[in-house]
Amino acid sequence: AQKVTQAQTEISVVEKEDVTLDCVYETRDTTYYLFWYKQPPSGELVFLIRRNSFDEQNEISGRYSWNFQKSTSSFNFTITASQVVDSAVYFCAHYEDSSYKLIFGSGTRLLVRP
Amino acid sequence: DTGVSQDPRHKITKRGQNVTFRCDPISEHNRLYWYRQTLGQGPEFLTYFQNEAQLEKSRLLSDRFSAERPKGSFSTLEIQRTEQGDSAMYLCASSETFGTDGRSSPLHFGNGTRLTVT
Repeated sequence: AQKVTQAQTEISVVEKEDVTLDCVYETRDTTYYLFWYKQPPSGELVFLIRRNSFDEQNEISGRYSWNFQKSTSSFNFTITASQVVDSAVYFCAHYEDSSYKLIFGSGTRLLVRP
Repeated sequence: DTGVSQDPRHKITKRGQNVTFRCDPISEHNRLYWYRQTLGQGPEFLTYFQNEAQLEKSRLLSDRFSAERPKGSFSTLEIQRTEQGDSAMYLCASSETFGTDGRSSPLHFGNGTRLTVT
């Protein structure tokens, strides 16, 4: 069955610190996608990244980077030099081609203090 | 691309009343999803449509809930005889499928309808 675990409920950092948000997933499929979404206080879900199961290359986009490790079923998200505007709830999600469903973790609330 | 649009943004209703929400997906997206999000939780899958066909319903969707997508474009979610436990944010998302194996573009979410049942 699909399952996504975000063990960190809340993280608080001081601005300019680096922070890593953990995500562990369970799946029986060989073909799947992993996502990260950001939900700022305004409430909308903002798509950040999608990785497919065949592409384990790490990705960097500005201050954001993602580390996909199939061996440990993890898809961790690092924000470098965090900013106050990064404060939000971040959701990791998993999509299987066999079920056509996107399943979310419970989210990690990130608070970046000035 | 005007994004996924949901209406209303907020709905306050008394227990026992019926409510209906509307979702307008991104125009070329053939898949439409409904999710529910309660405070402090991630969005929970409710149901999804491939064009006008409702292909799956979660066990969370009791018989008081019904969703339609009559022409494969906009969708409605109706809750009958609302209960206080129905209070939540109801999110709609859409995506585009490609290829013959159903691979999907990322889901794009609307801003949601926040339901409060008093």
